[in-house]
Amino acid sequence: GAGVSQSPSNKVTEKGKDVELRCDPISGHTALYWYRQSLGQGLEFLIYFQGNSAPDKSGLPSDRFSAERTGGSVSTLTIQRTQQEDSAVYLCASSLARSRRDYEQYFGPGTRLTVT
Amino acid sequence: AQTVTQSQPEMSVQEAETVTLSCTYDTSENNYYLFWYKQPPSRQMILVIRQEAYKQQNATENRFSVNFQKAAKSFSLKISDSQLGDTAMYFCAFIPTSTGNQFYFGTGTSLTVIP
Repeated sequence: GAGVSQSPSNKVTEKGKDVELRCDPISGHTALYWYRQSLGQGLEFLIYFQGNSAPDKSGLPSDRFSAERTGGSVSTLTIQRTQQEDSAVYLCASSLARSRRDYEQYFGPGTRLTVT
Repeated sequence: AQTVTQSQPEMSVQEAETVTLSCTYDTSENNYYLFWYKQPPSRQMILVIRQEAYKQQNATENRFSVNFQKAAKSFSLKISDSQLGDTAMYFCAFIPTSTGNQFYFGTGTSLTVIP
């Protein structure tokens, strides 16, 4: 079946502009994660959605970052007034619900964001 | 605090040889899942192997195996018969089952398989 998809694959934007990054999780996966991976670094947790519960936004670095998940499926990560330090690869992952005792995360290919 | 430490930023191994990547973690949780993910240059993160903390037997997946030492909070990955396609970044991660939402990742080890 289809895996996690993300769009766009690459995005170049000017400093100060807003960007939207999209994630389509695997069908049936109720958990969705966003991560940021800066060059040569590990994965930085940003936000987590689980079903209809309130999202865990504890990893968002500033109020310029926000995310939505519509209908329990597609998610959009929005970065307002982008800064050069926002340049990174943004990864999305999805997994089955906790009740299935399956915590494996399936990752998308990521969106490489470059802020000039 | 939950942390994952990968102390080897870069490693290399000759093709067909064996290499071990180290990972230690810190948690007060008793039950959790541990993972090794591989990220080749294509950026696609791929699950290599996983281990449930309550299982004492070390997980194996073909050429990949782990040495899980719960008391020492150590979770190393052994790659046998290394292949050129194993060249990638390898990330160690864990998720405590009590919270079940946030994964904790190490900073990764860049592995190069030399022909």
